Parts: sequence; structure tokens; C-alpha cells
Amino acid sequence: KNEVEQSPQNLTAQEGEFITINCSYSVGISALHWLQQHPGGGIVSLFMLSSGKKKHGRLIATINIQEKHSSLHITASHPRDSAVYICAVKAQGGSEKLVFGKGTKLTVNP
Amino acid sequence: DAGITQSPRHKVTETGTPVTLRCHQTENHRYMYWYRQDPGHGLRLIHYSYGVKDTDKGEVSDGYSVSRSKTEDFLLTLESATSSQTSVYFCAIRRAGTNTGELFFGEGSRLTVL
Repeated sequence: KNEVEQSPQNLTAQEGEFITINCSYSVGISALHWLQQHPGGGIVSLFMLSSGKKKHGRLIATINIQEKHSSLHITASHPRDSAVYICAVKAQGGSEKLVFGKGTKLTVNP
Repeated sequence: DAGITQSPRHKVTETGTPVTLRCHQTENHRYMYWYRQDPGHGLRLIHYSYGVKDTDKGEVSDGYSVSRSKTEDFLLTLESATSSQTSVYFCAIRRAGTNTGELFFGEGSRLTVL
């Protein structure tokens, strides 16, 4: 069982829709990262969270430490948001290892 | 983008040949990482470095070695490439600190081992 589970694996939406991508993890963490990867492209860091909520433009990331769960929301989705979104957690204890989810492929149609 | 460049960006090589991938950063970050990305597996840590000449293994380190003789350069070497090492390799750096720790990735190096 992967320590980091993302859902859904694939998501198709119409432009303008509100998007939610979920990430659940099984270990105690010191930080959680949300990353974005466009097709054939590099990987961009969207957020790093250790508690609460962060917002950047149309993107919102929340984390519930007690429930070991994080969500990434995209408001007013746009075709340029089409990408793979990856959740990664850094375990407590000083290890440098990040455990990555397998990603959620989002397609936003015009 | 934290000034990270990877080279080469694309390489095709034959089984048994040595390959070295280079990661170069311009911002003096202490922590550098090499990951590989394969379909169905996501990103997996190969090796990482926490300073000059300070390196440690990740979860898929077999068949790989690394070196960091200067802060700005982190080299990944495949001593004798195998087809199972065909992958996309990403270098990353982390801004360490209480309120940071954000990751920055290079653009990736696509390696094909025939």
C-alpha cells in the first residue's frame, strides 16, 4: 500500500468548474507539497503546507493533520490548468525522503 | 526557478556504457536531490546531498552513484547503464528552513538505454 494516495487518478472537467484533488497519507509528516507537471514539461512547486490553508490565485490548498488529508482546489478552472498534480509528504523525524503520490491527471476542456 | 539546469536534457545510450547526468544550481542551496520518474511509480528518490561531499542513498539507489565536489554541482552516474534505467531524471533543490522548504525542480533529463 502506497503511503500517499491521491484521488481521483484522472479527472476531466469543463472550463469554469471547481476542481478538488485529494491526498491521503498514512505517516506523521512535517510538510506536504503540491506539485504541478504539464505534459512533457518540468515540475513546478505549487504549495508547501504544514498546517491550515494556503491560497495563490485560483489555487487553494488545505491540510488536516489529524485526518492525514490534504486537498487542492482550483476555482474557475481553465484549459491551461490541464496537468498532472502530485502530492508529496515529508515524514517526521528529519528524513530527507519525500514520499510521492502517483499523481492526478486533470484535463480541462474549453 | 532557483536557477537549476540539468544536462544533458536527452541522451540515448547502449547497455553497459557509463552515463553521467549533471545538475547545476546558481543559488547556493544546501540540499540537492536526484529523482527518477517512471509511469505507474511516480517520483522516486535515488540519492540526495546535504552539502559538499555529503550524500546519502534514497529508495532506488542501486546502480547509481553521486558526487558533489562543489555546492553548485550534483552529479548522478550510472556506472554501467541497463535498460531498467531508462527513465526521466529530475534534479531538485530544497530551500531549507522553518518557513521554507519549497522544492524547485530542474527540467528533467530523458535517458534511453538501448
